[in-house]
Order: sequence, then structure tokens, then C-alpha cells
Amino acid sequence: GQQVMQIPQYQHVQEGEDFTTYCNSSTTLSNIQWYKQRPGGHPVFLIQLVKSGEVKKQKRLTFQFGEAKKNSSLHITATQTTDVGTYFCALAGGTSYGKLTFGQGTILTVHP
Amino acid sequence: NAGVMQNPRHLVRRRGQEARLRCSPMKGHSHVYWYRQLPEEGLKFMVYLQKENIIDESGMPKERFSAEFPKEGPSILRIQQVVRGDSAAYFCASSLTWGLASNTDTQYFGPGTRLTVL
Repeated sequence: GQQVMQIPQYQHVQEGEDFTTYCNSSTTLSNIQWYKQRPGGHPVFLIQLVKSGEVKKQKRLTFQFGEAKKNSSLHITATQTTDVGTYFCALAGGTSYGKLTFGQGTILTVHP
Repeated sequence: NAGVMQNPRHLVRRRGQEARLRCSPMKGHSHVYWYRQLPEEGLKFMVYLQKENIIDESGMPKERFSAEFPKEGPSILRIQQVVRGDSAAYFCASSLTWGLASNTDTQYFGPGTRLTVL
């Protein structure tokens, strides 16, 4: 089945610095989703990208889907302590209908 | 509008016992998914169910694990004869639809059940 590699595994930043996490695939993706999981919490859906080259913004968060639909990124501008958590990319559907395939996640720590 | 509900939130079992995890999807949602998250790892798909039907169980271990979503009541994930390696967080998610590539396909996750096997 389809897989996605997510980097980095960990990221430590000072409050106010920017943060980016990347997801890469060797195959063309039909879509990609992003989730955030706070420590001890559950995954919360952030966004879904479907179109080649798509860019979506949610306040300080910017999501991109590569032109070749093989990679995606999540960028946070001027991080805040409330941004701490693990950010996952996930693939929906593909060969297994209804299944989300998650990346390994990037654990973000923000130091005040 | 209540979200996805899971109970219990924490479950402790001794090796060899049975664990039953319950999931009530969001109101109006008929698609339910179960995922397992081992400590410090990502989420792994286990099973996808619609009312009274298992659609995809490709992520379920072949033995000891079963899932159901009856016509009435919550979805149940059952683990028989638990072993220490079953210790994990088990998340249930639900969606209104699937396959439309629209926001109604979005999976909403419950708070999870943290299973500890002693």
C-alpha cells in the first residue's frame, strides 16, 4: 500500500520561531490530510489537500501540496506554546477504501 | 452536538483477560474506524465498519481481535486473551460519508481508550 515518510521526527523551537514539517511519498498521492495531536490527546483534523500545487492557510498555519502530488508541508509562522503537539500527515483511501495511512508524525516542542 | 465518544478512557487488564472497547460515533455518522497507537508511534489503521458490516479489516491482527458495529448500539473492539504487547491507545473515528473526497468524508476522532496490560 501507499506509504508516506514524515520529517523531522522531532523539532524544538523557541516561541516566535517558525516550524515546518514535511511529508514525502514515492508515488503520486490522490490527497493528503493533516492532523494535530496534543500530548495525551486525540488526533484533530486540520485540513485536506487534493489539488496539485494547492496552498491553504489557517491563521498562522500554511499547508502546501506539491505540484507532482508527491509531497506536502505544514508551516507554522511565529510558533506559540499552544502549538505544541504531534503533527501527522495522512493519506486517505487509495488501495484500501476508508483507511487513513498516517505518517510517523513530527513532535513539536515550543520553548517559552 | 456530541463528538465521538469512547469508553472506558482507561482500561487495565491482566494477561489472558478480555478487553472490550466501545465507540459511539458522532450523531448521524454511520462509518466507524478503529486505529491503534503504540507509545511514541503513529496511528495504525485496524478496521473500518459500517452498520452491521465490516468493510476493511486489513489492519486487524489475525487472532484475538474482532470488531463489530451492530444496528443498535456502539461499535465494539474486542481483544481476547490480552498480552503485554496489546498495551496501546485505541482510537475510534467516525465520518458521515466516505469516498466523496469532500469534507463529509472527514474522520473525527474520539478521545481514545488507553489499554494497559499487566
